[in-house]
Amino acid sequence: KAGVTQTPRYLIKTRGQQVTLSCSPISGHRSVSWYQQTPGQGLQFLFEYFSETQRNKGNFPGRFSGRQFSNSRSEMNVSTLELGDSALYLCASSLPSGGADEQFFGPGTRLTVL
Amino acid sequence: AQTVTQSQPEMSVQEAETVTLSCTYDTSENNYYLFWYKQPPSRQMILVIRQEAYKQQNATENRFSVNFQKAAKSFSLKISDSQLGDTAMYFCAFMKYGSGNTGKLIFGQGTTLQVKP
Repeated sequence: KAGVTQTPRYLIKTRGQQVTLSCSPISGHRSVSWYQQTPGQGLQFLFEYFSETQRNKGNFPGRFSGRQFSNSRSEMNVSTLELGDSALYLCASSLPSGGADEQFFGPGTRLTVL
Repeated sequence: AQTVTQSQPEMSVQEAETVTLSCTYDTSENNYYLFWYKQPPSRQMILVIRQEAYKQQNATENRFSVNFQKAAKSFSLKISDSQLGDTAMYFCAFMKYGSGNTGKLIFGQGTTLQVKP
């Protein structure tokens, strides 16, 4: 079974631009969570989608948004990029079964904002 | 709010020896899960082991085991017979159980483990 894939793997943008990152979950997984990883703040939860609905959200500004499609693929969008948005963005998929299902992580998208 | 603390930013161990990584957490919840994830230099996050809070028995997975002390809110990871491939950053993570808490892992700051030959 193929793992979680994320595209693109690397991105360079300038301040003020917007960016869209994509995540394809493992086949059969319906929940997708997004995380931001930075050296200073560590790993922080952005949001979680299930059946095309955002079920949970972290403490990030409204510039960070996401969506999920009927095939469970998910995208996250960051508008009006700031230097501090430079980070590794990880997505993770899980079944879920109602408990704390194992989250399977993708390789991440490294975003650099200049 | 829940917090997870890993007080050891870096550790090293000789190959074939045993090492223990520490993790403490703070929560007022009773229903939750705890995890240890490994992130090697390739950056791919991999689940090492998980523990359900309602289970008293400590989880084990081959060379990896945990010491879960619920009253002390402590969740340490023991790696036995360390191998070079264990070199990675290790994250302790917490997930609250129940609706409204779906899909959200709360991570500690991580411990970088280097296994030396």
